[in-house]
Amino acid sequence: QKEVEQNSGPLSVPEGAIASLNCTYSDRGSQSFFWYRQYSGKSPELIMSIYSNGDKEDGRFTAQLNKASQYVSLLIRDSQPSDSATYLCAGTNTGGFKTIFGAGTRLFVKA
Amino acid sequence: NAGVMQNPRHLVRRRGQEARLRCSPMKGHSHVYWYRQLPEEGLKFMVYLQKENIIDESGMPKERFSAEFPKEGPSILRIQQVVRGDSAAYFCASSPVSLTEETQYFGPGTRLLVL
Repeated sequence: QKEVEQNSGPLSVPEGAIASLNCTYSDRGSQSFFWYRQYSGKSPELIMSIYSNGDKEDGRFTAQLNKASQYVSLLIRDSQPSDSATYLCAGTNTGGFKTIFGAGTRLFVKA
Repeated sequence: NAGVMQNPRHLVRRRGQEARLRCSPMKGHSHVYWYRQLPEEGLKFMVYLQKENIIDESGMPKERFSAEFPKEGPSILRIQQVVRGDSAAYFCASSPVSLTEETQYFGPGTRLLVL
């Protein structure tokens, strides 16, 4: 069974700190990876997509991909209480026909 | 530019009834994906469709569930003879091309409650 695994948390960080979210995947053929944020009762909202090894930065968010280690991470700098949500890691399967989601990591940012 | 539309947003059915969920993709998007999310769990892939074709339905239960994306109109996820275990949020997403080249965008979801 091809899977995407995340630590379910909750992860609690103080306001202004860096939150580090991690994800591993088992399908070596996966090409595209995504981080989504989901507030309770809402639909997932895309934060970052990453397709090649290395870092990709967008504002306070940095996604990191290491295909050799089958590892994806998301760093949130200067965390804000409004960042409190569940963060879903996802990757496409070999062939890119579907996206496999992790169970999500709950993040709490304390004011 | 309207986003992905889903309706109804909330649906209540009694056991044994049929549930019909609709999804209109973003303008210009020809790829539709359906996911199911149980409370406190991640999203589970159900089915991937293009216009008039089911591309991958490996995540969809073999019985009672069906999906279509006709040439005209929205994509439909149909659940026959619903049971309480079908209670979940059902999300539709769309993308303009395959996922290896483009990300997908989610609709607001349909919350199905089976009494």
